[in-house]
Amino acid sequence: DVKVTQSSRYLVKRTGEKVFLECVQDMDHENMFWYRQDPGLGLRLIYFSYDVKMKEKGDIPEGYSVSREKKERFSLILESASTNQTSMYLCASSLGQPNQPQHFGDGTRLSIL
Amino acid sequence: AQSVTQPDIHITVSEGASLELRCNYSYGATPYLFWYVQSPGQGLQLLLKYFSGDTLVQGIKGFEAEFKRSQSSFNLRKPSVHWSDAAEYFCAVGAYGSARQLTFGSGTQLTVLP
Repeated sequence: DVKVTQSSRYLVKRTGEKVFLECVQDMDHENMFWYRQDPGLGLRLIYFSYDVKMKEKGDIPEGYSVSREKKERFSLILESASTNQTSMYLCASSLGQPNQPQHFGDGTRLSIL
Repeated sequence: AQSVTQPDIHITVSEGASLELRCNYSYGATPYLFWYVQSPGQGLQLLLKYFSGDTLVQGIKGFEAEFKRSQSSFNLRKPSVHWSDAAEYFCAVGAYGSARQLTFGSGTQLTVLP
């Protein structure tokens, strides 16, 4: 069965800290995604990656960066956390073809104090 | 670019009643369409998908959706709702050749009354 694992369910950090959110998939998927979910706004794409070391900006990349050194792992980095980055973060993966569904992790609820 | 609108932010139905959640999309060609469900504290789970062919698609948990090209809609239906269906539902559209793959609607929160 498909499995996308996010390293933390809940995370509390302080303003200005560098924050790492980790995501691992065990399905040998080419594509991986990071979304941010806020009430009333649905899911907004932050970054996605279609291959190792390849990445593209989504709709809201400001304040974030990503790293994909291995196919199965996709990290989201908040360079200097701010309170407006308090949110639910969802990782997803999919096969490379455009018509393939995305498989999601359970999310990380991040609070920046 | 594609877009998705879910006009209903919140819907309340009684257990056993029928359900229809609306989804309208905007895309210049035949889209790929999906419905996902998110239970509290969980990630998104795929309910069903439409790529081509039969416009009525069946999904998991007794859900179905109908693609209507003339109305640019892909509404989700269930004949009889169970209390466990209370969740948030997201419609998503994908475009062939788009690397980013999916654009999500803002979601519809479903409450089920006993």
